[in-house]
Amino acid sequence: GENVEQHPSTLSVQEGDSAVIKCTYSDSASNYFPWYKQELGKRPQLIIDIRSNVGEKKDQRIAVTLNKTAKHFSLHITETQPEDSAVYFCAASKEGNTPLVFGKGTRLSVIA
Amino acid sequence: DVKVTQSSRYLVKRTGEKVFLECVQDMDHENMFWYRQDPGLGLRLIYFSYDVKMKEKGDIPEGYSVSREKKERFSLILESASTNQTSMYLCASRFGGANTEAFFGQGTRLTVV
Repeated sequence: GENVEQHPSTLSVQEGDSAVIKCTYSDSASNYFPWYKQELGKRPQLIIDIRSNVGEKKDQRIAVTLNKTAKHFSLHITETQPEDSAVYFCAASKEGNTPLVFGKGTRLSVIA
Repeated sequence: DVKVTQSSRYLVKRTGEKVFLECVQDMDHENMFWYRQDPGLGLRLIYFSYDVKMKEKGDIPEGYSVSREKKERFSLILESASTNQTSMYLCASRFGGANTEAFFGQGTRLTVV
């Protein structure tokens, strides 16, 4: 089955700096790659996703890149703010009635 | 507004008890999932269901069972709760077939004493 590896497990950045979180996946049939943000005590919520027919997607300060050949994808957050502090999860899934497989998460701390 | 609702936010049960965690979604989603969240281990899939009365084992099904009698409701059952099942349990749902976003419930923090 699919296996998703996520790095780093913790990340601390100064406010205003950029943050990058990387994930790799094992199943070449996977074609949907969402990123979830989980604030303390809250449910995970989708912040951005990408499908395998594109290499990059942006939404204001966040962007995701996908390298299908290498089977890895990354989340980029620019101009980080304290409210970006949270746990971020990457995931992968493929077509059909299959589940999302998640990475182990990255705890991002933005230091003011 | 999209809603996935779990029946309890916090639950304390005794070892050996039978425990029911309920999840209801109002989005007419075919797929429903139960994940377990532990620090450093991320979100691990326990069971999922892609239709009424259908279920598939995930990565960690031991000690758990599920029930889906109606499309909107997916129940997780701990047949005989043990202390190593103390955890945060998250329910999620999404449309079947198409690869789309999953929506999560607010989570149930279960403590087994």
